[in-house]
Amino acid sequence: AQRVTQPEKLLSVFKGAPVELKCNYSYSGSPELFWYVQYSRQRLQLLLRHISRESIKGFTADLNKGETSFHLKKPFAQEEDSAMYYCALGGGGSEKLVFGKGTKLTVNP
Amino acid sequence: GAVVSQHPSRVICKSGTSVKIECRSLDFQATTMFWYRQFPKQSLMLMATSNEGSKATYEQGVEKDKFLINHASLTLSTLTVTSAHPEDSSFYICSARDLLAGSEKLFFGSGTQLSVL
Repeated sequence: AQRVTQPEKLLSVFKGAPVELKCNYSYSGSPELFWYVQYSRQRLQLLLRHISRESIKGFTADLNKGETSFHLKKPFAQEEDSAMYYCALGGGGSEKLVFGKGTKLTVNP
Repeated sequence: GAVVSQHPSRVICKSGTSVKIECRSLDFQATTMFWYRQFPKQSLMLMATSNEGSKATYEQGVEKDKFLINHASLTLSTLTVTSAHPEDSSFYICSARDLLAGSEKLFFGSGTQLSVL
């Protein structure tokens, strides 16, 4: 069964500090990992996906199959990064996504 | 970018009534749409996959007679919560995939907060 674990419900950092949002997954097949972000009063939107290996808004995430992790990182957090972040898992040719419970990131001035 | 419109954003109804939620892809065609449910401080739980022109595929534990899904066109899927009860109160979100944008890209509606009194 597919499962996504985001161990931190809340994460608070100061502006300019590095931030890492943890995500671990469980899946027997070839995983496809995504990070979605939801800013206050806005809809959920895709932040990045492991396939494209891109950096969006300074965020990066590397898929580590050995550790079954897909942690989201940013070297210098900004106040506008404050939002709810969801890690999501797809794969096996299925369009379905399984979401983690989310981590609420607060970047303090 | 692609936009998914979900309506209504909030609905309050009496127990026993039915509520219909619409999900529209505004500038792209979506053969597949997804319906999620989110309880407070919980994750999004996939309820069903809505397939244009055919029956929806429901996840385990989701009552198909309770949550009726219709995907009559390439731009519209509806979720009807029949005979709603207070335990059905939740945040419902739809999403759709823009095939032309790449198979990985899902676009989400803004969600519907259902409160059943």
